[in-house]
Amino acid sequence: AQSVAQPEDQVNVAEGNPLTVKCTYSVSGNPYLFWYVQYPNRGLQFLLKYITGDNLVKGSYGFEAEFNKSQTSFHLKKPSALVSDSALYFCAVRDMRGNNRLAFGKGNQVVVIP
Amino acid sequence: NAGVTQTPKFQVLKTGQSMTLQCAQDMNHEYMSWYRQDPGMGLRLIHYSVGAGITDQGEVPNGYNVSRSTTEDFPLRLLSAAPSQTSVYFCASSYSQSSNQPQHFGDGTRLSIL
Repeated sequence: AQSVAQPEDQVNVAEGNPLTVKCTYSVSGNPYLFWYVQYPNRGLQFLLKYITGDNLVKGSYGFEAEFNKSQTSFHLKKPSALVSDSALYFCAVRDMRGNNRLAFGKGNQVVVIP
Repeated sequence: NAGVTQTPKFQVLKTGQSMTLQCAQDMNHEYMSWYRQDPGMGLRLIHYSVGAGITDQGEVPNGYNVSRSTTEDFPLRLLSAAPSQTSVYFCASSYSQSSNQPQHFGDGTRLSIL
């Protein structure tokens, strides 16, 4: 079964500094990988996905993520964090083969300090 | 375009009471699912449906029932509420279970069991 690890509970970063949220995954086959963001009292919103092709994926709000097959990682990055980026971020993975369900990580709280 | 609509947004129940959480989507998605979100545990899949008339259990199905009589609606029923079911519940939909397309989430139902 597929699984995701998000090792840090909270990431603190100063406004204007680079932001990185870490994600590693485990699947039997090749992965579909997703990042979602959750603002207070809202549902999850899709940020970006990796399916195939270029390892660097660009998404909404200036976020990007790099797929690294050898390290089974899919870290989310933003070059310059904004206070409005403060939210809960979830990584998710699905095995490309068959009808496997989407597995979510436990989430990372990002706090951008003004 | 409403997307995924969940009602109610908030609910307080007493132990032993039953209730139904409503979920409707207007995107003609085949795949619908229910998750619960608890602090530090990410999202856990309760039940899912790959189309009208078809439902199946997720990771944590005990104490919950679902049905899918139409493509649009996927209600979640709590049979006899317990304090352990205090959580935030999210409904999500996507084109299909095996799709590489992201899931669309409702804004959640915040449920407290006293």
